[in-house]
Amino acid sequence: AQTVTQSQPEMSVQEAETVTLSCTYDTSESDYYLFWYKQPPSRQMILVIRQEAYKQQNATENRFSVNFQKAAKSFSLKISDSQLGDAAMYFCAYRRGTSGSARQLTFGSGTQLTVLP
Amino acid sequence: DTAVSQTPKYLVTQMGNDKSIKCEQNLGHDTMYWYKQDSKKFLKIMFSYNNKELIINETVPNRFSPKSPDKAHLNLHINSLELGDSAVYFCASSHELRRLFFGPGTRLTVL
Repeated sequence: AQTVTQSQPEMSVQEAETVTLSCTYDTSESDYYLFWYKQPPSRQMILVIRQEAYKQQNATENRFSVNFQKAAKSFSLKISDSQLGDAAMYFCAYRRGTSGSARQLTFGSGTQLTVLP
Repeated sequence: DTAVSQTPKYLVTQMGNDKSIKCEQNLGHDTMYWYKQDSKKFLKIMFSYNNKELIINETVPNRFSPKSPDKAHLNLHINSLELGDSAVYFCASSHELRRLFFGPGTRLTVL
């Protein structure tokens, strides 16, 4: 079974600074997808960024980028120029790259990010 | 133009009651899901369903049952509610292997 581990229950960052959230996963699959979701206090789940395992290039979405290390099974999220609105719970998630029951996401336990003014 | 909607957003009920949470998606997606988020914020899959296949997480008690009247709806029925069922329940949908879209969540409190 696939597992996703986020070893940092809480992180804090000063506004305008950069922070990196860690995520590791365990799988025997070669084809899969990785995601970071953000959950602000409104509890809405918001997709931040997605990475296909077959792509070597790290995904980037504006101030958000990932460091995907496939051999190490590591998928960290870097937030640059942190803003107050980035404060939220961040979840790393994994999904197998095949159809059928593989479509569901397996989530890590989350990292609560605080942004300090 | 809400993509995935759930009703109600909040549900407070007594132990032993039966309740339902409704979910609708207007995205034309082929797969819908129910997730449970516990008090520690951990998200766990309960069901995934498309018109061909229902996948049930083996840890989900059989008091929970998904019901899909059509491709756009996946309702969650819960019988004989227990205190431990208190949580936030999220509905989600996706098309093939594309991203999941989540509903706003339903906070269930069992007294």
